[in-house]
Amino acid sequence: ETGVTQTPRHLVMGMTNKKSLKCEQHLGHNAMYWYKQSAKKPLELMFVYSLEERVENNSVPSRFSPECPNSSHLFLHLHTLQPEDSALYLCASSQDSGAQDTQYFGPGTRLTVL
Amino acid sequence: AQSVTQLDSQVPVFEEAPVELRCNYSSSVSVYLFWYVQYPNQGLQLLLKYLSGSTLVKGINGFEAEFNKSQTSFHLRKPSVHISDTAEYFCAVSAYSGAGSYQLTFGKGTKLSVIP
Repeated sequence: ETGVTQTPRHLVMGMTNKKSLKCEQHLGHNAMYWYKQSAKKPLELMFVYSLEERVENNSVPSRFSPECPNSSHLFLHLHTLQPEDSALYLCASSQDSGAQDTQYFGPGTRLTVL
Repeated sequence: AQSVTQLDSQVPVFEEAPVELRCNYSSSVSVYLFWYVQYPNQGLQLLLKYLSGSTLVKGINGFEAEFNKSQTSFHLRKPSVHISDTAEYFCAVSAYSGAGSYQLTFGKGTKLSVIP
């Protein structure tokens, strides 16, 4: 595997379910990100991790819980979601979390909440 | 706080014609500017970025962009498009967000449709 991978690619869940999204980067980067992409809205940054420490949390509801066990893996744990949480969730990584660093994106997980 | 405006949500263009996708930003501090492309069912991929130096930046797939500080713009251009350029294009600005980190702020995107 190369680049940034995400699993699953598609997920359908009910509002009472608990599920997790997984992201893995094979680039040796130090920073990882979760974004939410909804139709007709700009990408929304949810979480930033640098060297496994969370450095940014953009007022995301507590029903989204990130976990970064090491610099290659990032998880997004989901519980009691709402239908408006349906979106494409993108993971990205970069060498560091500096202003000039290019972010490399995974293909995303398409989440549907029923 | 910074913001990015992409003036056109959709741009249809005939194959081999030139195209310009517009992007304006607002920020009170120095910024770094990026264009990303998203092909169907894929994540975003960097086309080009402006960090400093020459205001004309060349990227992959024949795209280029010009940074204009006085007009706070970073328009993307290609002199002759191909069918394979059909995708959604995102302009983004990177600026300091506090707490020791930088954040990418994206525009809403422009869907480019190349017509055979």
